[in-house]
Amino acid sequence: GAVVSQHPSWVICKSGTSVKIECRSLDFQATTMFWYRQFPKQSLMLMATSNEGSKATYEQGVEKDKFLINHASLTLSTLTVTSAHPEDSSFYICSAPTGGSNYGYTFGSGTRLTVV
Amino acid sequence: KQEVTQIPAALSVPEGENLVLNCSFTDSAIYNLQWFRQDPGKGLTSLLLIQSSQREQTSGRLNASLDKSSGRSTLYIAASQPGDSATYLCAVHGSGNTGKLIFGQGTTLQVKP
Repeated sequence: GAVVSQHPSWVICKSGTSVKIECRSLDFQATTMFWYRQFPKQSLMLMATSNEGSKATYEQGVEKDKFLINHASLTLSTLTVTSAHPEDSSFYICSAPTGGSNYGYTFGSGTRLTVV
Repeated sequence: KQEVTQIPAALSVPEGENLVLNCSFTDSAIYNLQWFRQDPGKGLTSLLLIQSSQREQTSGRLNASLDKSSGRSTLYIAASQPGDSATYLCAVHGSGNTGKLIFGQGTTLQVKP
């Protein structure tokens, strides 16, 4: 089945530094990638939608200059958290449509970001 | 604005019990509804996807139903096992196939041996 590989699984960084999270579609082409954030004991909230070769679309309240998204190829989308602060600590997860008649979605394994 | 609610928030049952998880959504104009499983600190695993034109889907011990007109879906788990312990998330894909999923807050299930 369709697999989205997400790295790193977890990362600890200092305040003010930047962190890059990668999501790769391994056996299919992901023209679209969705990026979600999940705070402890809360559900997933969509942050932005990236499309290969074009600018990402951000949800209301999400700072595009802080959460840089790049989708340069059909198999790779990246999310960079710039100048990270402790309040950015969260679980970030990507998702791509797997296409076909079901129009389901495949999720990456998630990245636990802790900013200290 | 679509809102998705899951009840109960947490559930603890002894092994072998049949159980039902509930999901409700406010806007019935949906494209499809998907149930996921999430283990602690892990990503999501898709369990069942129901298209808006379908009433139910089954996979093994899992059965999901959809009543679009009333804005409800249920996930039925038969003969629960300790390995079923996880958080179960319901997600609605709104009409227009935009790709945006709206998630409920999940039901955390614990199955005791």
